[in-house]
Amino acid sequence: NAGVTQTPKFQVLKTGQSMTLQCAQDMNHEYMSWYRQDPGMGLRLIHYSVGAGITDQGEVPNGYNVSRSTTEDFPLRLLSAAPSQTSVYFCASSQNRVEKLFFGSGTQLSVL
Amino acid sequence: GESVGLHLPTLSVQEGDNSIINCAYSNSASDYFIWYKQESGKGPQFIIDIRSNMDKRQGQRVTVLLNKTVKHLSLQIAATQPGDSAVYFCAENRNSGYSTLTFGKGTMLLVSP
Repeated sequence: NAGVTQTPKFQVLKTGQSMTLQCAQDMNHEYMSWYRQDPGMGLRLIHYSVGAGITDQGEVPNGYNVSRSTTEDFPLRLLSAAPSQTSVYFCASSQNRVEKLFFGSGTQLSVL
Repeated sequence: GESVGLHLPTLSVQEGDNSIINCAYSNSASDYFIWYKQESGKGPQFIIDIRSNMDKRQGQRVTVLLNKTVKHLSLQIAATQPGDSAVYFCAENRNSGYSTLTFGKGTMLLVSP
């Protein structure tokens, strides 16, 4: 049972490049979410999904897109990376909305 | 307590002591609270949660206390061990749909042998 798997673990982008952060869970969780973590800022919610085909914005959604075509996968897309998006990104899932969210190990992204 | 700026508040204890980490939450309508532990380079790990209809909940070596009157949450760790050294976050659910968590900025716990 792998839990929540995030890829890649590290990524360096140039300003303006696009990329997709992958997140997959094998626990059949309906709820999935993306957070970013910056020093001194804690974790801030980017987007979340309460089930396949349903997504919604969190606290800091600008510059990011998501989709949820399957229960297992919840990719996060950066269409045109900016230095302000340099951060550590965490994907999380749970069986019952935000109760006992289970986090992945994170993706460290640097935008130059 | 919650951090200000880039510096996390730090709690330093000796191995075997009891630790108390505090958290002030902002929304009196919040009805679900959760504590996470984050070790360096890893994702947050669930410790314990509590609903607003309770004021205390115990787990293995941990206790969460909720004081709704002053909007205060605390995590007590009994017989603290070096492996407990990490950053601890509290989080609250502010909406009725239980669809979002709002995290505090964290407290670093350092345990000396």
